[in-house]
Amino acid sequence: SQTIHQWPATLVQPVGSPLSLECTVEGTSNPNLYWYRQAAGRGLQLLFYSVGIGQISSEVPQNLSASRPQDRQFILSSKKLLLSDSGFYLCAWSLGPQETQYFGPGTRLLVL
Amino acid sequence: QKEVEQNSGPLSVPEGAIASLNCTYSDRVSQSFFWYRQYSGKSPELIMSIYSNGDKEDGRFTAQLNKASQYVSLLIRDSQPSDSATYLCAVNRGAAGNKLTFGGGTRVLVKP
Repeated sequence: SQTIHQWPATLVQPVGSPLSLECTVEGTSNPNLYWYRQAAGRGLQLLFYSVGIGQISSEVPQNLSASRPQDRQFILSSKKLLLSDSGFYLCAWSLGPQETQYFGPGTRLLVL
Repeated sequence: QKEVEQNSGPLSVPEGAIASLNCTYSDRVSQSFFWYRQYSGKSPELIMSIYSNGDKEDGRFTAQLNKASQYVSLLIRDSQPSDSATYLCAVNRGAAGNKLTFGGGTRVLVKP
């Protein structure tokens, strides 16, 4: 069966510091991968998605970036965090574009 | 008009009653529809997917899709206190391929 991991689970970072969040999927090959952010009391906002290694589509222009160095690894990064980057970051995977997306446990980020 | 709209609630239902949640979407070419449940502080988990007009039942849950009227609903029969959560409606817009657009969620409270 497929499993999805995210780390760290929680993170407190100062404004202006860098960020690296990692997501890995087990039990499947060539998944579609997604990064979402959920601000407090808000809905899910799609940030990036990837259909393959090195292929990244950005949905929202901001100070975040994503990379997919390996088939089942998806990384979310920032060079300088802003207060507004605080939120719950969720990684998800699916078998294809119309298929169900399955979410990882999430990373709660607080920028101070 | 939001792409996917849900009543934010809270929807308060007594234990054992039926909870009825509604979701409307704006894009007529949408092809895939999903209901997720999200407990406070946790990541969304899939309840049900539906692709064709009509009803789809899974245990105590029934999803209903009406593409002509552009709405999808979720019924929870015999509601339990453990059903208290936020329910997210998600729509995959066929023209946009990989993108899942989420509603803001409906908070459900089941009172013993």
